[in-house]
Amino acid sequence: GAVVSQHPSWVICKSGTSVKIECRSLDFQATTMFWYRQFPKQSLMLMATSNEGSKATYEQGVEKDKFLINHASLTLSTLTVTSAHPEDSSFYICSARDRPRTIRAKNIQYFGAGTRLSVL
Amino acid sequence: DAKTTQPPSMDCAEGRAANLPCNHSTISGNEYVYWYRQIHSQGPQYIIHGLKNNETNEMASLIITEDRKSSTLILPHATLRDTAVYYCIVRAPFENQGGKLIFGQGTELSVKP
Repeated sequence: GAVVSQHPSWVICKSGTSVKIECRSLDFQATTMFWYRQFPKQSLMLMATSNEGSKATYEQGVEKDKFLINHASLTLSTLTVTSAHPEDSSFYICSARDRPRTIRAKNIQYFGAGTRLSVL
Repeated sequence: DAKTTQPPSMDCAEGRAANLPCNHSTISGNEYVYWYRQIHSQGPQYIIHGLKNNETNEMASLIITEDRKSSTLILPHATLRDTAVYYCIVRAPFENQGGKLIFGQGTELSVKP
């Protein structure tokens, strides 16, 4: 399957600092990327959907000023957690979907390996 | 997107077939059934998907009932490395609401030696 690279895999930061997470589609162009968050022993929760060149669409309850998403190219999206606090500690996972072609096309969504954020 | 119901956990003996059920009784005619799995502390991995016909690939088989209200993922010869949480998700085509993948609680499959 296609490869989605996420960096860093693990980050520890002090409370009040900002953290940027990168998500790259390595062998396909991703017009749409998704960001999820997962707390221990819970399922993935969709945070936002981003389309290349336009503003991200955030799910209800997700603060857009806290979680800044930039999807500047067809292979790169970034999530910046601004002024991180301990409650933002979580596993963040990005996902990318290849270009839609036809209704019968696979349009599979591929996932990165995740970034574990610990805010002290 | 339609909701799915899966058993929270299942056990399977190594080398045997693992049959993971999923109910999606409110599925719409244009919604696909997707299966992903998540091994501990990793991102989800795509397994298989289908609309109404049964599907098979190198990882698994997907059996969808004729009324499309339920499906079964089959891992023909489970190994210890198949221990993971398996998610069954129904999703509209990308044209509808962006085709977002919404994850439920999934089934935690434990393959035992």
